[in-house]
Amino acid sequence: GESVGLHLPTLSVQEGDNSIINCAYSNSASDYFIWYKQESGKGPQFIIDIRSNMDKRQGQRVTVLLNKTVKHLSLQIAATQPGDSAVYFCAESGSGNTPLVFGKGTRLSVIA
Amino acid sequence: DTGVSQDPRHKITKRGQNVTFRCDPISEHNRLYWYRQTLGQGPEFLTYFQNEAQLEKSRLLSDRFSAERPKGSFSTLEIQRTEQGDSAMYLCASSLLGGKLFFGSGTQLSVL
Repeated sequence: GESVGLHLPTLSVQEGDNSIINCAYSNSASDYFIWYKQESGKGPQFIIDIRSNMDKRQGQRVTVLLNKTVKHLSLQIAATQPGDSAVYFCAESGSGNTPLVFGKGTRLSVIA
Repeated sequence: DTGVSQDPRHKITKRGQNVTFRCDPISEHNRLYWYRQTLGQGPEFLTYFQNEAQLEKSRLLSDRFSAERPKGSFSTLEIQRTEQGDSAMYLCASSLLGGKLFFGSGTQLSVL
């Protein structure tokens, strides 16, 4: 069945370093992907999204890379800050209009 | 604040009681979603609406779960005869058709 997962459950980085969070998906028909950040006690917050006709998209300090050949998605955070500490989820959708399917999440800890 | 609003933020109930949660979406959003999230897991899709029509409800966890969106604006999620296994965070999100989901802060349910 459809599934979205993450390679690493936890990631610790030094403040100022770049962070890379990885995600694998299994549904080759997925055409919309999205990253969310979730802080303790809060709902998921949108970070960046990408559609399957692209392989890279950049935002402010964040970049999402999509490799459809190996069904892999990554989130890169430049110059990681303490405020980036949170759990990060990738999610996918089959057509862009179907409900998102979430992975388990990666906890990012930023060491000052 | 014009984001997604959920009420209550916390609910403690005894096993066997019924509970109802409310979600007020972003006003111009025609889609509304309910997800459930347990500790250490990603959000799990339950059901969603487009305007007042419930488009998918097969993912509701049992027939004790039901959701309504009577006028295409706010929505309610009801759990009847609660069980300890129902303890979780219940998240609501809204979107425009094909747009990214915006989440509320959730309702944390504890069943004693």
